[in-house]
Amino acid sequence: AQSVAQPEDQVNVAEGNPLTVKCTYSVSGNPYLFWYVQYPNRGLQFLLKYITGDNLVKGSYGFEAEFNKSQTSFHLKKPSALVSDSALYFCAVRALSGGYNKLIFGAGTRLAVHP
Amino acid sequence: EAGVAQSPRYKIIEKRQSVAFWCNPISGHATLYWYQQILGQGPKLLIQFQNNGVVDDSQLPKDRFSAERLKGVDSTLKIQPAKLEDSAVYLCASSLDLGQTGLADYEQYFGPGTRLTVT
Repeated sequence: AQSVAQPEDQVNVAEGNPLTVKCTYSVSGNPYLFWYVQYPNRGLQFLLKYITGDNLVKGSYGFEAEFNKSQTSFHLKKPSALVSDSALYFCAVRALSGGYNKLIFGAGTRLAVHP
Repeated sequence: EAGVAQSPRYKIIEKRQSVAFWCNPISGHATLYWYQQILGQGPKLLIQFQNNGVVDDSQLPKDRFSAERLKGVDSTLKIQPAKLEDSAVYLCASSLDLGQTGLADYEQYFGPGTRLTVT
């Protein structure tokens, strides 16, 4: 069965420093991977996705993610964190159900960027 | 482009009462999803519609939850009777996805959610 794991409940980083939010996955077949962000009292917003191609995927708000097949990881990164990046981040993997696509989400990682 | 609309934003009910949530997806999106997000957890898919047909309701507690998507556009999710453990945020999402053999756009667009508190 498809699954994702986000090993850190919370990540703390100082503003201006690089940040990494970790995600590992387990799939059968080719992985289709996603990152979403959730701000307080709002729905999830799409950040980026890996379907095929380059292992480094660039997304919204300066975020990028690196797909590593050998380590089955899809870590989210940003070179310089902003206080406004503080939010809840979810990694997700596509699963197939009866020929239709659905997303399986991780438990989420809370990112706290301190001034 | 208008986003996914949901109402109400907040709802407080007592256990054993009933409640209904409404979702209007992005125009033209064939697929509609309802998720349950319990505090501290990731969203869990409850039901997925392709146009007005159900394609996945494997995690929907069918003894108390029901959902419909009449005319393949907006949708309602109902809980009757509610239990304390139903307290959660209920998220609606939509997508252009037409299934494995169709247009492959897997990005889902989420509404703001309905926060349900059952007391």
